[in-house]
Amino acid sequence: DTGVSQNPRHKITKRGQNVTFRCDPISEHNRLYWYRQTLGQGPEFLTYFQNEAQLEKSRLLSDRFSAERPKGSFSTLEIQRTEQGDSAMYLCASSLAPSAVYEQFFGPGTRLTVL
Amino acid sequence: AQTVTQSQPEMSVQEAETVTLSCTYDTSENNYYLFWYKQPPSRQMILVIRQEAYKQQNATENRFSVNFQKAAKSFSLKISDSQLGDTAMYFCASTLNAGNNRKLIWGLGTSLAVNP
Repeated sequence: DTGVSQNPRHKITKRGQNVTFRCDPISEHNRLYWYRQTLGQGPEFLTYFQNEAQLEKSRLLSDRFSAERPKGSFSTLEIQRTEQGDSAMYLCASSLAPSAVYEQFFGPGTRLTVL
Repeated sequence: AQTVTQSQPEMSVQEAETVTLSCTYDTSENNYYLFWYKQPPSRQMILVIRQEAYKQQNATENRFSVNFQKAAKSFSLKISDSQLGDTAMYFCASTLNAGNNRKLIWGLGTSLAVNP
């Protein structure tokens, strides 16, 4: 399978614990995005990487959130001291730029439940 | 603020019929991209169709077509010959005001049910 993969698919944690999610983009894609989707809502942009450089972070991304993309390949999103409001689906997408298409390819998401 | 609005939270259609999903947006940009994504229950987001704002011709992908009205800032999706597998959440999204990073701004989605 050469699509975007995310692990784990589901994560249940207790409030206050730290969690880390991983995204493996399509291999030749240089751009990687993280979005958050809560029930009944559309995705919201969190952050974006061009290769290994994190070029933009949303105001939604509090100090408890950190994302990395070492070597410009896979990316990790860590949430420290989780809160119940962090419960959501975390989506990763990748794309190739420059491109005439600018299509983003999405992974299956990681569903986080904070108890 | 740049926004994408989907005013139909839920819609239903009979199998083999045609349905149109609405999307409007607000931007002062001239160059942007518009997309319709489909998210089946418990499955991942997949691209249905895209439209470049500088193209006047409406995009078409098999049974899916768009009605892009740039002046009206409208981007509706028409699904012809609806199939049971079309049942999903449909999201309208755009690169409005995204600068060079091309992040997507999303509507709230329309839940489409195709009935047998």
